[in-house]
Amino acid sequence: GEDVEQSLFLSVREGDSSVINCTYTDSSSTYLYWYKQEPGAGLQLLTYIFSNMDMKQDQRLTVLLNKKDKHLSLRIADTQTGDSAIYFCAEMFNAGKSTFGDGTTLTVKP
Amino acid sequence: DVKVTQSSRYLVKRTGEKVFLECVQDMDHENMFWYRQDPGLGLRLIYFSYDVKMKEKGDIPEGYSVSREKKERFSLILESASTNQTSMYLCASSDTSGSPYEQFFGPGTRLTVL
Repeated sequence: GEDVEQSLFLSVREGDSSVINCTYTDSSSTYLYWYKQEPGAGLQLLTYIFSNMDMKQDQRLTVLLNKKDKHLSLRIADTQTGDSAIYFCAEMFNAGKSTFGDGTTLTVKP
Repeated sequence: DVKVTQSSRYLVKRTGEKVFLECVQDMDHENMFWYRQDPGLGLRLIYFSYDVKMKEKGDIPEGYSVSREKKERFSLILESASTNQTSMYLCASSDTSGSPYEQFFGPGTRLTVL
């Protein structure tokens, strides 16, 4: 079955780069996503990458996709305290339904 | 501004009670989902619906049922609440047309079953 795995915790200092990693198992995934969940809120789409791409950059965010290893990463440059949140990796393999990872809690220390 | 709303932010119920969690979206989305979120377990799909009156089981449907009588509303029902159903419940919706098919989430309902 489909499975998405992430490490549970990451702690960085303000101004450093953060890298959150994810592995997935379904090679037929069409989209891969990063969602952000701030305290007390639902998830919100942060960025996504189509499965035929290797990289996507959006301001401070860089998404890298290694299809051979089924590995997805999210890099946040110049991490700020406002980036503290839970980050979920997700894959979509048919229209609408996605499988989510367990979430990585990012803590940014001043 | 797109919106998914859930009927309650916090709910406290007793074991054995019937519990209704309501979710409404205003985006005319076909798909709607119910998840539960537990520490260390991420999001687990309970049920989803891809059309009015249609439903499919997710990964953990036991102890739950759903109802979708109108396109904008998707209800999660706990027939007889148990303490192991204490959790955060998240509703989401998505469109079937137009990438990237992202899911839009409500703020969540934190349910405590005593």
